[in-house]
Amino acid sequence: DAKTTQPTSMDCAEGRAANLPCNHSTISGNEYVYWYRQIHSQGPQYIIHGLKNNETNEMASLIITEDRKSSTLILPHATLRDTAVYYCIVRVMEYGNKLVFGAGTILRVKS
Amino acid sequence: SQTIHQWPATLVQPVGSPLSLECTVEGTSNPNLYWYRQAAGRGLQLLFYSVGIGQISSEVPQNLSASRPQDRQFILSSKKLLLSDSGFYLCAWSVASGDVDTQYFGPGTRLTVL
Repeated sequence: DAKTTQPTSMDCAEGRAANLPCNHSTISGNEYVYWYRQIHSQGPQYIIHGLKNNETNEMASLIITEDRKSSTLILPHATLRDTAVYYCIVRVMEYGNKLVFGAGTILRVKS
Repeated sequence: SQTIHQWPATLVQPVGSPLSLECTVEGTSNPNLYWYRQAAGRGLQLLFYSVGIGQISSEVPQNLSASRPQDRQFILSSKKLLLSDSGFYLCAWSVASGDVDTQYFGPGTRLTVL
């Protein structure tokens, strides 16, 4: 699976949009971009995934550049409960294909 | 909707004691099941995965074992715990939909071996 690069940490004001970037310049054509987050002492939570097109669900939006070498996760109205470590993962969909989490981005939402 | 359960939530065990962690999934059939370990301040390590009853694949040779006695039940065991077995144990499930296979995690079990 391709490697990803994320900023170590980011701050966001409560109620504002949180934009979390991820670089994956070596992504292959059949690799998906996945985002998870992990709130302290909890299991990772799936957020969203995409291949080429931008995606939106009830939690977030995923914007993937046309060349697919980078993406941005957008939390439209961040709340204090969104404070967590956010992981960007690039992977091929295969049975038994393990998830490899890097260091991720620590997002701190502040009031 | 699908739900994944893990128990116990926390566990403190002495070195050399046995271990049994249980994971069950509700609301789906024939899921792929996974056991991961997350050591303090570190990333996820895949320990075992299973695509069906009695089918277990091991990623890392160690003193842990896994079993899948029922379709939606996954058990992680050890006969004798080591200090290095301490960590946050996570069970996950997935069901392929087309060419997408998203993994969903349980709440985890925090194990401390003393």
